Amino acid sequence: DSGVTQTPKHLITATGQRVTLRCSPRSGDLSVYWYQQSLDQGLQFLIQYYNGEERAKGNILERFSAQQFPDLHSELNLSSLELGDSALYFCASSVEEASSGNTIYFGEGSWLTVV
Amino acid sequence: DAKTTQPPSMDCAEGRAANLPCNHSTISGNEYVYWYRQIHSQGPQYIIHGLKNNETNEMASLIITEDRKSSTLILPHATLRDTAVYYCIVRVAEEYGGATNKLIFGTGTLLAVQP
Repeated sequence: DSGVTQTPKHLITATGQRVTLRCSPRSGDLSVYWYQQSLDQGLQFLIQYYNGEERAKGNILERFSAQQFPDLHSELNLSSLELGDSALYFCASSVEEASSGNTIYFGEGSWLTVV
Repeated sequence: DAKTTQPPSMDCAEGRAANLPCNHSTISGNEYVYWYRQIHSQGPQYIIHGLKNNETNEMASLIITEDRKSSTLILPHATLRDTAVYYCIVRVAEEYGGATNKLIFGTGTLLAVQP
């Protein structure tokens, strides 16, 4: 158990809909990262937050957005869903904003299926 | 970003040591080498990381060459539960307002431990 909690574990929704994925980081961790893993793309970095502020953006679509709240939990919002958005979405957390020597821990992911 | 090159797949007999190579010839002096593994659709699991010196923990050993252009992850006594995709990652540190230390995943090595 990494200590990173993601909900829901599984989600099925229709095209055009909007969903919210939630992540609770490990106790004491200030950085949160979101990754997408689909069959044909591997693990893709989406976005990072540190203590409520956006720190880095990866291949995140404009239809997707995220935020980190004062209690440090984070939400990833996916809207106007398409079939190609079906994927595993991972949240990860780490203690520090920027230190190559600290460890990032991953949650077990949220399976999103768009039908 | 410093790139890594790993063989796409490897086999190992149960009980034997598994040696997973990784090339990272463009690594910078202050970048760490991280190893994660992913067991089928679970969250990536941290294994070990290092900068210059060899490292060992309860899971594995990491051998980094003196020029830091390559490394080897060693699982001393592989078991069937070690079958997974193993990712070698060079940790990025970039400026983005503050700094970020996101992990960029490649395609990894699928290690198949055979009974």
